[in-house]
Amino acid sequence: KAGVTQTPRYLIKTRGQQVTLSCSPISGHRSVSWYQQTPGQGLQFLFEYFSETQRNKGNFPGRFSGRQFSNSRSEMNVSTLELGDSALYLCASSSTYGEMNTEAFFGQGTRLTVV
Amino acid sequence: AQTVTQSQPEMSVQEAETVTLSCTYDTSESDYYLFWYKQPPSRQMILVIRQEAYKQQNATENRFSVNFQKAAKSFSLKISDSQLGDAAMYFCAYRREETSGSRLTFGEGTQLTVNP
Repeated sequence: KAGVTQTPRYLIKTRGQQVTLSCSPISGHRSVSWYQQTPGQGLQFLFEYFSETQRNKGNFPGRFSGRQFSNSRSEMNVSTLELGDSALYLCASSSTYGEMNTEAFFGQGTRLTVV
Repeated sequence: AQTVTQSQPEMSVQEAETVTLSCTYDTSESDYYLFWYKQPPSRQMILVIRQEAYKQQNATENRFSVNFQKAAKSFSLKISDSQLGDAAMYFCAYRREETSGSRLTFGEGTQLTVNP
């Protein structure tokens, strides 16, 4: 079974631009979560999608958004990029028992650098 | 809000020896899950072990075991017979049991070095 796939692996953007990151979960997993990892703030939860609906959101500004498609693939978008958005963005997929998540399995992340 | 604290930024261990990584957490919930994840230089977070709060028995996965003290809100990871491949950043994480969605709350991480 293929793992969680995130694309691209590396990205360099300029301040003010926008960026879209993609995540393909493990086949059969309906829940996808996104996390931001920085040296200063550590790992912080961005949002979670389940069956194409956002059902959990972290404390990030509205510039950070996401969506999930019918095949459970997810994208996150960051608009008007700031230098502080430079980070490793991790996607995690979880299978569910009913609506309860089981373990989260992570992708290798997308390293975003804003210059 | 739930918080997770790892008080050891760095730890080192000799190959084949045993090391214990510490984690404490704060929650008012009674049902939750605790996890240890490993993040090697490849950056991928790998699940090492999980513990359900309602289970009194400590979880064990091969060389990895936990000491779960619910009343003390402590969740330490013991790595026995340490191997060079165990070198990584280790994160303790908490997740509340809920049907309305889930989020992992992570500690700051402990960088483990394994010396040959």
